[in-house]
Amino acid sequence: RKEVEQDPGPFNVPEGATVAFNCTYSNSASQSFFWYRQDCRKEPKLLMSVYSSGNEDGRFTAQLNRASQYISLLIRDSKLSDSATYLCVVRRTGANNLFFGTGTRLTVIP
Amino acid sequence: ETGVTQTPRHLVMGMTNKKSLKCEQHLGHNAMYWYKQSAKKPLELMFVYNFKEQTENNSVPSRFSPECPNSSHLFLHLHTLQPEDSALYLCASSQLPGGESTDTQYFGPGTRLTVL
Repeated sequence: RKEVEQDPGPFNVPEGATVAFNCTYSNSASQSFFWYRQDCRKEPKLLMSVYSSGNEDGRFTAQLNRASQYISLLIRDSKLSDSATYLCVVRRTGANNLFFGTGTRLTVIP
Repeated sequence: ETGVTQTPRHLVMGMTNKKSLKCEQHLGHNAMYWYKQSAKKPLELMFVYNFKEQTENNSVPSRFSPECPNSSHLFLHLHTLQPEDSALYLCASSQLPGGESTDTQYFGPGTRLTVL
């Protein structure tokens, strides 16, 4: 079983739509959780960390469900500039290496 | 952003060549990483250095040889590569984990490698 699993998409949504991405992780010892964004032919960049209580940053909301080993990212009022691949990332307790999902491709259409 | 820089940005090499990739971080971090990103695959961790000591070698073939002379610089020496080694090679740096918000990894722009 893969360490991190994501629906690869693609998700094609109109501007202004709300879109949600889901991710599951297999190792219950995972401690830190992140969403990274990667634009085409660019490096991954941190979008937001995901905290146990859930957290929000503008139009972006991240949720963590430890019992189900499930992470989500909600994007409200989608912009054209949100088009990218969104990577779900986890780190295990006691380790500093990250495990990446394959990413979910989002295209926001005018 | 120039927190993590990588050179060269693009590299084409033959299977008998020897080349090196360079990474430098200006963030004061104490851990550095090499990742490989191939099409349709998740990022694969290759090597981890903590305080310039290698702590992880993720079953990487010996044709890839890392070097970390200090906590700001990381090299990946390449020799006798195969065409399937063509990929985007990403360097990252971070502080060692000490809490939820302190271990974010910051990536360099990557070196796009093509092996002919």
